Amino acid sequence: AQTVTQSQPEMSVQEAETVTLSCTYDTSESDYYLFWYKQPPSRQMILVIRQEAYKQQNATENRFSVNFQKAAKSFSLKISDSQLGDAAMYFCAETMSYQLTFGKGTKLSVIP
Amino acid sequence: NAGVMQNPRHLVRRRGQEARLRCSPMKGHSHVYWYRQLPEEGLKFMVYLQKENIIDESGMPKERFSAEFPKEGPSILRIQQVVRGDSAAYFCASSVIRDAEQFFGPGTRLTVL
Repeated sequence: AQTVTQSQPEMSVQEAETVTLSCTYDTSESDYYLFWYKQPPSRQMILVIRQEAYKQQNATENRFSVNFQKAAKSFSLKISDSQLGDAAMYFCAETMSYQLTFGKGTKLSVIP
Repeated sequence: NAGVMQNPRHLVRRRGQEARLRCSPMKGHSHVYWYRQLPEEGLKFMVYLQKENIIDESGMPKERFSAEFPKEGPSILRIQQVVRGDSAAYFCASSVIRDAEQFFGPGTRLTVL
């Protein structure tokens, strides 16, 4: 069974600064997908960014980028120019088909 | 273009009652997935359905839980004889084809008294 580990239960960042959230996963498959989801207090799950394992290039979406290290099975999320609206729970997830496996999440606080 | 709809958003039940959670997928999506989020945990997969078919229910508890996705109408997750341990947020997601991106609904928070 796949497992996803987020080793930082809580993180904080100053507004306008950069923060990196860590994620490691364990899969024996060679082809899979990785995701970062944001869950604000409203509890809505919002897709932040996705990465296909067969792609070498790290995915980016505006202020959000990933550092994908396939050999190390590491998938960290970098948030640049942090904004107050970035405060939320962030979940890392992995799937090779349809069954998403989530980590336990990292609670990100943004300090004004 | 409405997203995934779930209702009710909040549901309170007493121990032993039944809970029915509804999910209407995005327009054009025929694949539905249910996930459960216990307090302080990530989401865990429960079941995957296509219209009128259960494809994978490997994450469903063996007793008291059932799911359906009829030809017409929303997908239903049914929990019979609820217990306090069923208190959680239940999320539905849908996709246009099996391995495509899943879009999540806002969730139903079930509280069992």
